[in-house]
Amino acid sequence: AQKVTQAQTEISVVEKEDVTLDCVYETRDTTYYLFWYKQPPSGELVFLIRRNSFDEQNEISGRYSWNFQKSTSSFNFTITASQVVDSAVYFCALSEAGSYGKLTFGQGTILTVHP
Amino acid sequence: GAGVSQSPSNKVTEKGKDVELRCDPISGHTALYWYRQSLGQGLEFLIYFQGNSAPDKSGLPSDRFSAERTGGSVSTLTIQRTQQEDSAVYLCASSLIAPQNTGELFFGEGSRLTVL
Repeated sequence: AQKVTQAQTEISVVEKEDVTLDCVYETRDTTYYLFWYKQPPSGELVFLIRRNSFDEQNEISGRYSWNFQKSTSSFNFTITASQVVDSAVYFCALSEAGSYGKLTFGQGTILTVHP
Repeated sequence: GAGVSQSPSNKVTEKGKDVELRCDPISGHTALYWYRQSLGQGLEFLIYFQGNSAPDKSGLPSDRFSAERTGGSVSTLTIQRTQQEDSAVYLCASSLIAPQNTGELFFGEGSRLTVL
């Protein structure tokens, strides 16, 4: 069975601080995919990134960066110089090969960025 | 519209009644998914339609839940004899299928169901 754990239920930071959201996963599959989604107050989940299990390169997109480490089964997400608009619930998710859309989600981390 | 459209946005019903939730996916997206988001269980996969293949119903919590997709487009999720534990936000998502599928699901804003 697959499992995703986001141990941080809530994080509160002040604008311009860096913040890292942790994600640890469990799967027996050798090929799998990891995702991060953002859920702003409007409620609509927004895709941020997909990573496959064979690609451990870190990725940076603007103020966002992701660190994938198979050795520790982690896929952490860092926001640099956080902004109030980053306030949202962030979900880490896992899917097996060939089933991109059938996701196992973590419980989510509520991020609040204060001005 | 250009996004995934769900209706109703809010539904209040009495225990024991049947409800239908509708999802209109993005045009051209042949894969469609239903998820449920509740305080106790988080985000849970319910059912997945891909093209003309038989749907993956492995996430449906009981036989009171069913879904259909007519003409490869609009989908309806039906909950029969609703129970209070069915109260949740029901999210629909659509996507392209492989190989165009990058793994990005496009979600609607959800239908909030409250069972009294």
